[in-house]
Amino acid sequence: GQQVMQIPQYQHVQEGEDFTTYCNSSTTLSNIQWYKQRPGGHPVFLIQLVKSGEVKKQKRLTFQFGEAKKNSSLHITATQTTDVGTYFCARYNDYKLSFGAGTTVTVRA
Amino acid sequence: DAGVIQSPRHEVTEMGQEVTLRCKPISGHNSLFWYRQTMMRGLELLIYFNNNVPIDDSGMPEDRFSAKMPNASFSTLKIQPSEPRDSAVYFCASTPGTSYNEQFFGPGTRLTVL
Repeated sequence: GQQVMQIPQYQHVQEGEDFTTYCNSSTTLSNIQWYKQRPGGHPVFLIQLVKSGEVKKQKRLTFQFGEAKKNSSLHITATQTTDVGTYFCARYNDYKLSFGAGTTVTVRA
Repeated sequence: DAGVIQSPRHEVTEMGQEVTLRCKPISGHNSLFWYRQTMMRGLELLIYFNNNVPIDDSGMPEDRFSAKMPNASFSTLKIQPSEPRDSAVYFCASTPGTSYNEQFFGPGTRLTVL
């Protein structure tokens, strides 16, 4: 199937540091969505990117869609303990939302 | 506003028993999805309903799994007979449209089959 690949699988971050997680596809994406799942919780929608080169910010989170629309990234600045969880990117194929394997983030205080 | 509601939140059963998971989508949403999440396979789409009609059930693992949506406000996912490998978290999600929409997930049902 048309999957999205996420790297890294795990990200251990010192509180206060920045990090970036990546989402890659071998085919052009019509759009990309990002979700966050806290430990023991359910996926919660963060954002959707549609346009080539699009950049959107939510406080300390910056989402970017590549120019070729084959990759996306999520950058978190000044990581806090509230950022703990798994971040998924997902692509739509018609009505189906296909999720990547996620990047699981842990934070060292 | 109430989000997607799922019940039960936790279910522990023995192999061979029937399990029924329930979902109430957000009012006004006409698309409903059932997902299964495991460490090994991640989030997998099991079945998709649009306007109460099953559109795609290609993700349903085998005949032991069945899903229904008798009306716009209720759906069930049934496993009969259950097996230990069915142990997972099952999520229901709904959206107001058919594509490119944010999906609203319920809290999930954590199923353990002994």
